[in-house]
Amino acid sequence: DTEVTQTPKHLVMGMTNKKSLKCEQHMGHRAMYWYKQKAKKPPELMFVYSYEKLSINESVPSRFSPECPNSSLLNLHLHALQPEDSALYLCASSQEATLADHQKNIQYFGAGTRLSVL
Amino acid sequence: RKEVEQDPGPFNVPEGATVAFNCTYSNSASQSFFWYRQDCRKEPKLLMSVYSSGNEDGRFTAQLNRASQYISLLIRDSKLSDSATYLCVVREAGNNRKLIWGLGTSLAVNP
Repeated sequence: DTEVTQTPKHLVMGMTNKKSLKCEQHMGHRAMYWYKQKAKKPPELMFVYSYEKLSINESVPSRFSPECPNSSLLNLHLHALQPEDSALYLCASSQEATLADHQKNIQYFGAGTRLSVL
Repeated sequence: RKEVEQDPGPFNVPEGATVAFNCTYSNSASQSFFWYRQDCRKEPKLLMSVYSSGNEDGRFTAQLNRASQYISLLIRDSKLSDSATYLCVVREAGNNRKLIWGLGTSLAVNP
């Protein structure tokens, strides 16, 4: 179904580990997003990349470090996480379009990485 | 007042029932509206964009009332597979990248 692919699907890490989440899309979208979602809550925006440049950082702690190596790939590097960082991490992508072009701005989500921090 | 408000439910309905969800938004300058569906432990999936004239896709009908600042979703002839959380989403006015999410309405369709 989804054309946004995230790996790994599940990740368990200790508080001293370093790991990376990966996201890939081949829809030609030039905006890519990281969200964090806790149980029974809506997704919370973390970062937005537009044309491979970071355009929004929602005051995310520095233990989360995004990277956009090219227009199809988005990474989220994790280091020294806390147990409260355990959540579903969702990647999304959309076309870049004007505000009036509602349909082109639709965000499509990957299946997510379920992260547990021990 | 929250920016996007939904009745959290849960709504429990029998198969074949018609169910309606409402959502209100606070910023009258908002222009883009969506309903996403999220199954348990899965990602949100776009169900419908909401257009000013109202739009229909099979058993689903979305309506927008700008004067009252609310959006509705009507599901006819409910199926067991419609059981999910339905998220009302409003694009932040003046920002084509930020979405404002409601907390979601839980629907359980029972046999």
